[in-house]
Amino acid sequence: QSALTQPASVSGSPGQSITISCTGTSSDVGAYNFVSWYQQHPGTAPKLMIFDVVNRPSGVSSRFSGSKSGNTASLTISGLQAEDEADYYCCSLRTGITWVFGGGTKVTVL
Amino acid sequence: EVELVESGGTLVQPGGSLRLSCAASGFTFSNYAMTWVRQAPGKGLDWVSAIGADGSNRYYADSVRGRFTISRDNSRDTLWLQMNSLRAEDTAIYYCVRKPSGLDWFDTWGQGTLVTVSS
Repeated sequence: QSALTQPASVSGSPGQSITISCTGTSSDVGAYNFVSWYQQHPGTAPKLMIFDVVNRPSGVSSRFSGSKSGNTASLTISGLQAEDEADYYCCSLRTGITWVFGGGTKVTVL
Repeated sequence: EVELVESGGTLVQPGGSLRLSCAASGFTFSNYAMTWVRQAPGKGLDWVSAIGADGSNRYYADSVRGRFTISRDNSRDTLWLQMNSLRAEDTAIYYCVRKPSGLDWFDTWGQGTLVTVSS
């Protein structure tokens, strides 16, 4: 089961916007609007940031937004802050009722 | 407060077996599907297995199908993962994760338990 493709790293200065891509196939990202995103700080458990492509759970900052076009989903962080420095993972439902994660993207705040 | 607490991780030899447990509290356990997600040291997240709210439907990643078994007891608010024929590549932190039934995201994660497969 191949993972979804994410860039290994993305960086930006405080206040800037960055976008993390997540590329899958017509059997996962392209097939369903069931992409979610997770933030993980070192040594801690992941935290849900976006679900169903565009929705934010209660308590997640509006600076985080999601989108999708074809087989590629994206997470945008606007107004980048030091606390946003973390690893980010996308996830999608895949045909056959399994779930697949991306390889993860390390976000660095310069 | 919603809480998931994993236990059972330890050092085990290749070919050995291990059972992980996850104790749930703070929510109606029987209303939620549950999953296991693992993370090898320094690596990304890897979905392992899922079970429906009533335990009737179970799903596995190809890498563990036939070796791992997921189960639950709703009367004890507990989830398990029985792992047999363990391999070095199964070495990872195993997270117990809550999944709203019928929906496709993972909203609450435990802190994880470390499984090391090595001779």
